[in-house]
Amino acid sequence: DAKTTQPNSMESNEEEPVHLPCNHSTISGTDYIHWYRQLPSQGPEYVIHGLTSNVNNRMASLAIAEDRKSSTLILHRATLRDAAVYYCIPPWGSQGNLIFGKGTKLSVKP
Amino acid sequence: GAGVSQSPSNKVTEKGKDVELRCDPISGHTALYWYRQSLGQGLEFLIYFQGNSAPDKSGLPSDRFSAERTGGSVSTLTIQRTQQEDSAVYLCASSPPWGEQYFGPGTRLTVT
Repeated sequence: DAKTTQPNSMESNEEEPVHLPCNHSTISGTDYIHWYRQLPSQGPEYVIHGLTSNVNNRMASLAIAEDRKSSTLILHRATLRDAAVYYCIPPWGSQGNLIFGKGTKLSVKP
Repeated sequence: GAGVSQSPSNKVTEKGKDVELRCDPISGHTALYWYRQSLGQGLEFLIYFQGNSAPDKSGLPSDRFSAERTGGSVSTLTIQRTQQEDSAVYLCASSPPWGEQYFGPGTRLTVT
């Protein structure tokens, strides 16, 4: 199974960009890379996913290294509402379930 | 549209009692997952349903836990003879097969 490594915590100032890194050096060639986040007292929510190419959506951008061993979630302008724990997936369980590590706790300062 | 809903939002029960937790997935989502989140363990996977197929129960923490999904839609997670270590937030998610998962708000279970 792929294992991921993320920093335990990061801080950002409001309105500044945030780059959240993830290492997944044992990822398989067919595993998609997903990012979820969990706001305080809520269930996790999907943020973005990709396979090889960089991806953009209304919430964030995902930059995937050419060797796919790492990826970076980019929040272009952090807001206070972006304060959450961010989880990088893989690994995936055999039933398509998400396997959550400890994630990165992002704090946003006004 | 309507998201995943769970009920009750909070449940306090005495040790040894049985509890039932309910999940209403997004209409049309064939896959349904149960997870739980406790302070000491983080988010852990419990069980998965795909349509009307029988689930793989290997992720359930003990035989006191069971789950069913009726008509490929609503799911119930039952915990018998609750123990204090069962205290956690129980989260349900639904998705198209292998698609992005949409989580409900969770049921916070407290066993006293």
